[in-house]
Amino acid sequence: NAGVTQTPKFHILKIGQSMTLQCTQDMNHNYMYWYRQDPGMGLKLIYYSVGAGITDKGEVPNGYNVSRSTTEDFPLRLELAAPSQTSVYFCASRTGNSLNQPQHFGDGTRLSIL
Amino acid sequence: KQEVTQIPAALSVPEGENLVLNCSFTDSAIYNLQWFRQDPGKGLTSLLLIQSSQREQTSGRLNASLDKSSGRSTLYIAASQPGDSATYLCAVDSWGKLQFGAGTQVVVTP
Repeated sequence: NAGVTQTPKFHILKIGQSMTLQCTQDMNHNYMYWYRQDPGMGLKLIYYSVGAGITDKGEVPNGYNVSRSTTEDFPLRLELAAPSQTSVYFCASRTGNSLNQPQHFGDGTRLSIL
Repeated sequence: KQEVTQIPAALSVPEGENLVLNCSFTDSAIYNLQWFRQDPGKGLTSLLLIQSSQREQTSGRLNASLDKSSGRSTLYIAASQPGDSATYLCAVDSWGKLQFGAGTQVVVTP
């Protein structure tokens, strides 16, 4: 029962570097999401996908890119990392059978950019 | 634009007391409202989902109500236990996308 798996759990990145946060789910969910959570704040949606090959921007997409080549995987790429992207990143998934189904979350990736 | 507010930001109660957590939202055009629990260093765990046509949902000691017309939801946790200590977040679902409140941090003291 793996659910939603995120790697890495922690990472320190230098300003200007790039990296990819990995997310995979084994529940055959069509919908997948990337959020960021800053201290004392709620989660903000970065990008989402309703199925393989389909992605769309959320509330805070600038500085990020995503791809969805398979149902299971939804990687998030940071290009030219900036200190403002220091945050905790959560990936989530949901079945597409009904809108009234909860999202399932991974344990997060804690990213520091110095 | 949908805005979700949770008050209070933090709450401390002695074990055995009932917990009342509030969530308000500005746009009543929602599919559902969800309550999550977040433990330190962990992801979110879904507690309850209330569909827009429902007034409340119950699971064990947890009961959540929804009043769409006034833009409010309340999460009740009966007979609190130290294991209930966590941050509780509410989120409204508009067109399949969740808008989160900032959460209420709860501490239950033995």
